[in-house]
Amino acid sequence: RKEVEQDPGPFNVPEGATVAFNCTYSNSASQSFFWYRQDCRKEPKLLMSVYSSGNEDGRFTAQLNRASQYISLLIRDSKLSDSATYLCVVNLSGNTPLVFGKGTRLSVIA
Amino acid sequence: DAMVIQNPRYQVTQFGKPVTLSCSQTLNHNVMYWYQQKSSQAPKLLFHYYDKDFNNEADTPDNFQSRRPNTSFCFLDIRSPGLGDAAMYLCATSRVGTGNEKLFFGSGTQLSVL
Repeated sequence: RKEVEQDPGPFNVPEGATVAFNCTYSNSASQSFFWYRQDCRKEPKLLMSVYSSGNEDGRFTAQLNRASQYISLLIRDSKLSDSATYLCVVNLSGNTPLVFGKGTRLSVIA
Repeated sequence: DAMVIQNPRYQVTQFGKPVTLSCSQTLNHNVMYWYQQKSSQAPKLLFHYYDKDFNNEADTPDNFQSRRPNTSFCFLDIRSPGLGDAAMYLCATSRVGTGNEKLFFGSGTQLSVL
């Protein structure tokens, strides 16, 4: 099993749609989870951390399912500007560097 | 603004010709990282420093070296670039390196090897 695994997509959705991505991780003891956004040929930028109880930031909702070892990102009312690659990032164990997934590409179409 | 700065933004080198990429930070963060990212791939950690303590990933080729002369600067040296080393190289920092912190990335250096 890969350490951090994502569906690469692309997800092509119309403006205003709701879209969700999942990310699975290999280590059940993992403690920290993040979603980063990366635009084409740019650096990754933190979108949001993922907390055990789930958290919301505007149109974005992140959730953690420890039993099934996955995190999810839900985007409501998609905007053209949401088009990007969404990277799942996990701290698999202790004070070790974060591990990145390959990312899920989203295209929001007018 | 405090930030992570990478130079140059685009670097072209010849096959086998050594090249150095640079990164500086004004955040006074303890940890600095170098990632390699190829098209449609995850950023792959090459090495990182906890202050002056160097940590090399097991699968980082010997062709890649790094230096951190002080807190602010970190360099990536590619001794003999091959065609397969063409990629985006991302420098990042974090405050203390606990694994649950935000990473601050530079804008990256896109390396082309001719």
